Amino acid sequence: DAGVIQSPRHEVTEMGQEVTLRCKPISGHDYLFWYRQTMMRGLELLIYFNNNVPIDDSGMPEDRFSAKMPNASFSTLKIQPSEPRDSAVYFCASRLGNTEAFFGQGTRLTVV
Amino acid sequence: KQEVTQIPAALSVPEGENLVLNCSFTDSAIYNLQWFRQDPGKGLTSLLLIQSSQREQTSGRLNASLDKSSGRSTLYIAASQPGDSATYLCAVISASGTYKYIFGTGTRLKVLA
Repeated sequence: DAGVIQSPRHEVTEMGQEVTLRCKPISGHDYLFWYRQTMMRGLELLIYFNNNVPIDDSGMPEDRFSAKMPNASFSTLKIQPSEPRDSAVYFCASRLGNTEAFFGQGTRLTVV
Repeated sequence: KQEVTQIPAALSVPEGENLVLNCSFTDSAIYNLQWFRQDPGKGLTSLLLIQSSQREQTSGRLNASLDKSSGRSTLYIAASQPGDSATYLCAVISASGTYKYIFGTGTRLKVLA
Protein backbone atom coordinates (compact mmCIF):
# COMPACT_ATOMS: atom_id res chain seq x y z
CA ASP A 1 0.00 0.00 0.00
CA ALA A 2 1.24 3.52 -0.81
CA GLY A 3 0.17 4.83 2.57
CA VAL A 4 -2.19 7.72 3.20
CA ILE A 5 -2.26 9.97 0.16
CA GLN A 6 -3.15 13.63 0.34
CA SER A 7 -3.59 16.16 -2.41
CA PRO A 8 -2.61 18.75 -3.20
CA ARG A 9 0.70 18.99 -1.33
CA HIS A 10 0.65 22.76 -1.49
CA GLU A 11 -2.22 25.17 -2.04
CA VAL A 12 -2.07 28.93 -2.27
CA THR A 13 -5.39 30.70 -2.59
CA GLU A 14 -6.89 34.12 -2.14
CA MET A 15 -9.06 35.01 0.79
CA GLY A 16 -12.70 34.22 0.10
CA GLN A 17 -12.02 31.35 -2.27
CA GLU A 18 -13.17 27.79 -1.70
CA VAL A 19 -10.48 25.25 -0.89
CA THR A 20 -10.86 21.47 -1.08
CA LEU A 21 -8.32 19.11 0.43
CA ARG A 22 -8.38 15.44 -0.46
CA CYS A 23 -7.35 12.26 1.31
CA LYS A 24 -7.13 8.61 0.34
CA PRO A 25 -6.72 6.42 3.44
CA ILE A 26 -4.94 3.10 3.59
CA SER A 27 -7.14 0.37 2.20
CA GLY A 28 -9.01 -1.53 4.91
CA HIS A 29 -8.64 1.14 7.57
CA ASP A 30 -11.90 2.03 9.29
CA TYR A 31 -10.90 5.29 10.97
CA LEU A 32 -9.98 8.52 9.21
CA PHE A 33 -8.82 11.69 10.94
CA TRP A 34 -8.29 15.26 9.78
CA TYR A 35 -5.77 17.34 11.75
CA ARG A 36 -4.51 20.88 11.43
CA GLN A 37 -1.01 21.87 12.54
CA THR A 38 0.26 25.37 13.28
CA MET A 39 3.23 26.65 15.21
CA MET A 40 1.00 28.33 17.75
CA ARG A 41 -1.50 25.53 18.42
CA GLY A 42 0.33 22.35 17.46
CA LEU A 43 -1.75 19.44 16.16
CA GLU A 44 -5.49 19.93 16.44
CA LEU A 45 -8.03 17.25 15.62
CA LEU A 46 -10.72 18.71 13.37
CA ILE A 47 -12.95 15.71 12.70
CA TYR A 48 -12.81 11.96 12.51
CA PHE A 49 -14.82 9.25 10.78
CA ASN A 50 -15.47 5.62 11.61
CA ASN A 51 -16.71 3.45 8.74
CA ASN A 52 -17.36 6.62 6.71
CA VAL A 53 -19.58 8.14 9.42
CA PRO A 54 -18.51 11.37 11.14
CA ILE A 55 -18.10 10.63 14.84
CA ASP A 56 -16.70 13.80 16.37
CA ASP A 57 -16.54 17.14 14.59
CA SER A 58 -16.15 19.24 17.72
CA GLY A 59 -12.75 20.41 16.51
CA MET A 60 -14.07 21.98 13.33
CA PRO A 61 -13.45 25.66 13.98
CA GLU A 62 -16.40 27.22 12.17
CA ASP A 63 -19.21 26.54 9.78
CA ARG A 64 -16.83 27.49 7.00
CA PHE A 65 -15.25 24.06 7.46
CA SER A 66 -16.93 20.89 6.28
CA ALA A 67 -15.75 17.32 5.73
CA LYS A 68 -17.19 14.37 3.90
CA MET A 69 -16.34 10.74 3.43
CA PRO A 70 -18.52 9.42 0.60
CA ASN A 71 -16.81 6.01 0.61
CA ALA A 72 -14.11 4.08 2.41
CA SER A 73 -11.37 5.24 0.07
CA PHE A 74 -11.90 8.98 -0.12
CA SER A 75 -12.46 12.00 2.10
CA THR A 76 -12.51 15.74 1.55
CA LEU A 77 -12.09 18.73 3.81
CA LYS A 78 -13.56 21.91 2.42
CA ILE A 79 -13.13 25.49 3.56
CA GLN A 80 -15.55 28.03 2.15
CA PRO A 81 -14.82 30.91 2.25
CA SER A 82 -11.16 30.68 3.19
CA GLU A 83 -9.45 33.23 5.44
CA PRO A 84 -5.76 34.00 6.11
CA ARG A 85 -6.02 32.48 9.60
CA ASP A 86 -6.81 29.13 7.98
CA SER A 87 -3.22 28.96 6.75
CA ALA A 88 -1.71 25.79 8.23
CA VAL A 89 -0.64 22.28 7.35
CA TYR A 90 -3.60 19.91 7.17
CA PHE A 91 -2.97 16.23 7.80
CA CYS A 92 -5.09 13.21 7.14
CA ALA A 93 -4.49 9.98 9.05
CA SER A 94 -6.05 6.53 8.99
CA ARG A 95 -6.12 3.57 11.33
CA LEU A 96 -7.60 0.12 11.71
CA GLY A 97 -9.36 -0.17 15.06
CA ASN A 98 -6.95 0.56 17.91
CA THR A 99 -3.86 -0.26 15.93
CA GLU A 100 -1.15 1.99 14.57
CA ALA A 101 -2.20 5.28 12.94
CA PHE A 102 -0.56 6.40 9.70
CA PHE A 103 -0.34 9.97 8.52
CA GLY A 104 -0.23 11.47 5.06
CA GLN A 105 2.41 13.99 4.05
CA GLY A 106 0.04 16.88 4.58
CA THR A 107 -1.29 19.78 2.55
CA ARG A 108 0.34 23.14 3.22
CA LEU A 109 -2.40 25.75 2.79
CA THR A 110 -1.60 29.42 2.41
CA VAL A 111 -4.46 31.90 2.20
CA VAL A 112 -3.39 35.36 1.08
CA LYS B 1 -10.46 15.63 29.91
CA GLN B 2 -7.28 13.90 28.79
CA GLU B 3 -4.20 16.12 28.58
CA VAL B 4 -0.82 15.02 27.25
CA THR B 5 2.41 16.78 28.17
CA GLN B 6 5.90 16.29 26.82
CA ILE B 7 9.01 17.43 28.60
CA PRO B 8 11.42 18.82 27.65
CA ALA B 9 10.10 20.95 24.81
CA ALA B 10 13.54 21.00 23.21
CA LEU B 11 16.71 19.02 23.69
CA SER B 12 20.20 19.28 22.20
CA VAL B 13 22.71 16.48 22.74
CA PRO B 14 26.06 15.38 21.28
CA GLU B 15 26.14 12.42 18.96
CA GLY B 16 26.40 9.03 20.63
CA GLU B 17 24.54 9.97 23.79
CA ASN B 18 21.67 7.86 25.09
CA LEU B 19 18.61 9.94 25.79
CA VAL B 20 15.10 9.77 27.22
CA LEU B 21 12.04 11.66 26.09
CA ASN B 22 9.07 11.91 28.44
CA CYS B 23 5.33 11.85 27.86
CA SER B 24 2.74 12.30 30.63
CA PHE B 25 -1.03 11.90 30.43
CA THR B 26 -3.64 12.82 33.01
CA ASP B 27 -6.17 10.01 32.53
CA SER B 28 -4.72 6.53 32.93
CA ALA B 29 -7.67 4.91 31.14
CA ILE B 30 -6.14 4.58 27.68
CA TYR B 31 -6.33 2.04 24.88
CA ASN B 32 -2.85 2.63 23.57
CA LEU B 33 -0.03 5.14 23.21
CA GLN B 34 1.88 5.84 20.02
CA TRP B 35 5.18 7.64 19.46
CA PHE B 36 5.74 9.56 16.24
CA ARG B 37 8.59 11.40 14.63
CA GLN B 38 8.13 14.50 12.49
CA ASP B 39 10.87 15.95 10.31
CA PRO B 40 10.61 19.64 9.32
CA GLY B 41 8.02 20.15 6.61
CA LYS B 42 7.02 16.50 6.64
CA GLY B 43 4.24 14.33 7.95
CA LEU B 44 4.29 12.17 11.06
CA THR B 45 6.08 8.84 10.94
CA SER B 46 4.99 6.15 13.35
CA LEU B 47 7.79 4.84 15.56
CA LEU B 48 6.21 2.59 18.17
CA LEU B 49 2.75 1.62 19.37
CA ILE B 50 2.20 0.34 22.91
CA GLN B 51 -1.12 -1.27 23.72
CA SER B 52 -2.53 -0.64 27.19
CA SER B 53 -1.74 -4.22 28.23
CA GLN B 54 1.93 -3.87 27.29
CA ARG B 55 4.80 -2.42 29.29
CA GLU B 56 7.24 -1.71 26.49
CA GLN B 57 8.02 -1.98 22.80
CA THR B 58 11.36 -2.00 21.03
CA SER B 59 12.42 -1.18 17.49
CA GLY B 60 16.11 -1.00 16.71
CA ARG B 61 17.69 1.70 18.87
CA LEU B 62 14.30 2.81 20.17
CA ASN B 63 12.57 1.53 23.28
CA ALA B 64 9.28 2.87 24.56
CA SER B 65 7.86 2.05 27.98
CA LEU B 66 4.40 2.59 29.39
CA ASP B 67 3.33 2.97 33.01
CA LYS B 68 -0.42 3.50 32.93
CA SER B 69 -0.85 3.82 36.67
CA SER B 70 1.48 6.80 36.83
CA GLY B 71 0.37 8.21 33.48
CA ARG B 72 3.79 8.12 31.92
CA SER B 73 5.63 6.87 28.87
CA THR B 74 9.27 7.24 27.98
CA LEU B 75 11.02 6.93 24.65
CA TYR B 76 14.61 5.81 24.99
CA ILE B 77 16.98 6.44 22.08
CA ALA B 78 20.29 4.61 22.26
CA ALA B 79 23.49 5.92 20.70
CA SER B 80 21.86 8.98 19.18
CA GLN B 81 22.82 10.08 15.65
CA PRO B 82 22.42 13.37 13.77
CA GLY B 83 19.75 11.65 11.68
CA ASP B 84 17.63 11.31 14.81
CA SER B 85 17.14 15.09 14.86
CA ALA B 86 13.40 15.72 14.57
CA THR B 87 10.35 16.50 16.67
CA TYR B 88 9.02 13.55 18.64
CA LEU B 89 5.34 13.41 19.52
CA CYS B 90 3.38 11.03 21.69
CA ALA B 91 -0.35 10.45 21.38
CA VAL B 92 -2.85 8.48 23.46
CA ILE B 93 -6.26 7.04 22.71
CA SER B 94 -8.42 7.54 25.78
CA ALA B 95 -10.78 4.75 26.78
CA SER B 96 -13.42 7.33 27.62
CA GLY B 97 -15.86 6.63 24.82
CA THR B 98 -14.07 8.04 21.80
CA TYR B 99 -11.25 6.67 19.69
CA LYS B 100 -9.44 9.86 18.83
CA TYR B 101 -5.78 10.53 19.45
CA ILE B 102 -4.79 13.22 21.92
CA PHE B 103 -1.35 14.57 21.05
CA GLY B 104 1.37 16.05 23.22
CA THR B 105 3.12 19.24 22.13
CA GLY B 106 6.29 17.41 21.17
CA THR B 107 9.99 17.41 22.00
CA ARG B 108 12.28 19.00 19.43
CA LEU B 109 15.51 16.99 19.40
CA LYS B 110 18.79 18.09 17.88
CA VAL B 111 21.73 15.67 17.82
CA LEU B 112 25.01 17.43 17.20
CA ALA B 113 27.69 15.79 15.07
